[in-house]
Amino acid sequence: AQSVTQLDSHVSVSEGTPVLLRCNYSSSYSPSLFWYVQHPNKGLQLLLKYTSAATLVKGINGFEAEFKKSETSFHLTKPSAHMSDAAEYFCGGSQGNLIFGKGTKLSVKP
Amino acid sequence: DGGITQSPKYLFRKEGQNVTLSCEQNLNHDAMYWYRQDPGQGLRLIYYSQIVNDFQKGDIAEGYSVSREKKESFPLTVTSAQKNPTAFYLCASSTSETALNTEAFFGQGTRLTVV
Repeated sequence: AQSVTQLDSHVSVSEGTPVLLRCNYSSSYSPSLFWYVQHPNKGLQLLLKYTSAATLVKGINGFEAEFKKSETSFHLTKPSAHMSDAAEYFCGGSQGNLIFGKGTKLSVKP
Repeated sequence: DGGITQSPKYLFRKEGQNVTLSCEQNLNHDAMYWYRQDPGQGLRLIYYSQIVNDFQKGDIAEGYSVSREKKESFPLTVTSAQKNPTAFYLCASSTSETALNTEAFFGQGTRLTVV
């Protein structure tokens, strides 16, 4: 069965420092993987998606993620955090159904 | 503009009442989904539909019902059988439930509170 696991429920960084949000997946086949961002009381907005064309995927707002099959990971990174990045982030997968991790809340300190 | 519209944004329900949450999309998507979001639990799938007049239960379908009479619409009814309905509900759609490489587009959510 397919599953997506976000390894951290809460990540706190200082403004200007790198961001790393971790996501592992479990799938028998090559999945489609996504990262979404959610601001309070809002819907989810797609940040980026992996579609097997390239293992390093660039998304909006300076975020990127690398698909590593050997590690079954799809971690989200950003070189320099901004205050506006504070939100909840969801890793998702699609292989006949859309499933999501439990989310990682990102806090950014001034 | 194309997108998904959920209404209302806030909804209050009395004990024992049924309430219906609206979800409409003009993206010409085949697949539609309802998720429930509670703090610390991520998104849990309630129901999904791949095509008009067909839908399947997700992980937490008890106490909920849906219909898919039109491609554009996928309303969710929270029945009195749902014992803990207070939550944030998100509707989503995608081009196909079974197609790979397809992401979901989300509405802005409805916050349901039992009073």
